[in-house]
Amino acid sequence: KAGVTQTPRYLIKTRGQQVTLSCSPISGHRSVSWYQQTPGQGLQFLFEYFSETQRNKGNFPGRFSGRQFSNSRSEMNVSTLELGDSALYLCASSLERANTEAFFGQGTRLTVV
Amino acid sequence: SQKIEQNSEALNIQEGKTATLTCNYTNYSPAYLQWYRQDPGRGPVFLLLIRENEKEKRKERLKVTFDTTLKQSLFHITASQPADSATYLCALDIVSNYQLIWGAGTKLIIKP
Repeated sequence: KAGVTQTPRYLIKTRGQQVTLSCSPISGHRSVSWYQQTPGQGLQFLFEYFSETQRNKGNFPGRFSGRQFSNSRSEMNVSTLELGDSALYLCASSLERANTEAFFGQGTRLTVV
Repeated sequence: SQKIEQNSEALNIQEGKTATLTCNYTNYSPAYLQWYRQDPGRGPVFLLLIRENEKEKRKERLKVTFDTTLKQSLFHITASQPADSATYLCALDIVSNYQLIWGAGTKLIIKP
């Protein structure tokens, strides 16, 4: 079956702009989590959605937001981009969040200039 | 503060030997702990999950132990191969918060 698909793979944006990233989970998976990964920082949790409901949010400013649609596809949005937002953004899907493996997409590499 | 620590230095191992990676945590009581492999420019790939009431779990050349008293998990790769070279991440499964808490990862280099 198809894996987790993230689009786009690469993005270059200017400070102050906004960006929307997309994630299509594995068919049947209802939990989608988003992470930011930067060198030396590891994966930092952004938010988790299950059946269109955000169940938890990490310690990121309000400029970071997300949503999940009825087909489980998810988007995350970053407004008023800052240089420090440059990172690899990863989406992971799972049947349920706990006690199950997470399947990751290839990620979206965002560069803010 | 809550913290997860993995070997920050790269681990260099001779091909054929056993590689042992460490994951230590404080101030958590995870029900589960997971290990992932990540190659450069790609998303992590799941390897093993171990429950708090399990001491050890094996899958082919991989073995994970979980000591909730020491708050430590060890990840072993036996008969290591150059293809095992990657960054290995441990993640605590915090069920109540619907999230995985990640270590920064250990870069493993298997030399032929």
